[in-house]
Amino acid sequence: DAGVIQSPRHEVTEMGQEVTLRCKPISGHNSLFWYRQTMMRGLELLIYFNNNVPIDDSGMPEDRFSAKMPNASFSTLKIQPSEPRDSAVYFCASSLGPAGVGEQFFGPGTRLTVL
Amino acid sequence: SQQGEEDPQALSIQEGENATMNCSYKTSINNLQWYRQNSGRGLVHLILIRSNEREKHSGRLRVTLDTSKKSSSLLITASRAADTASYFCATASAGGYQKVTFGTGTKLQVIP
Repeated sequence: DAGVIQSPRHEVTEMGQEVTLRCKPISGHNSLFWYRQTMMRGLELLIYFNNNVPIDDSGMPEDRFSAKMPNASFSTLKIQPSEPRDSAVYFCASSLGPAGVGEQFFGPGTRLTVL
Repeated sequence: SQQGEEDPQALSIQEGENATMNCSYKTSINNLQWYRQNSGRGLVHLILIRSNEREKHSGRLRVTLDTSKKSSSLLITASRAADTASYFCATASAGGYQKVTFGTGTKLQVIP
């Protein structure tokens, strides 16, 4: 298996632009997580899907952030409009079972820079 | 908010020495996991210890869990330069939804 795939790996955009990050989880995994990592705040859970249904979106910063999982093999995280404080590394992770039951497999991350 | 706090924040040792990292957390857990992150990469799972376990081994890794003190430690024995990375603990909360919360991480440097 190729592991969790994220695209793009790097994104540089200007303030106010829409940004879409993409994730393909490991085939057969039922749970998908989006995280944001910054030096100041560490690794934060943004949203958790189980069987394509959002279970916990309490970490989504504000209405500018939205996430979808239209099917078991694809998820997107959208920021509209983007702001400089959104600059961070965004990770997608998947796991075989529900959150907390077993290990999570992380993608390589998308490094987002908002100018 | 962070559930786990790691100590120390940074650690520098010579190759061959042992490295010990500690994690403290605040609420009841179902399990605690340790992950490694190499610079510029995603996190990689190392080991999981359940709340009813006290110690677990995997190769050169030894993890202990003390639920009465709400703390865990990760010991890496006979460290190698390739062990240079950041190490995070992650707690899965007790209850129906086992929310996973990552700690602040320990940055380990192993000097060849």
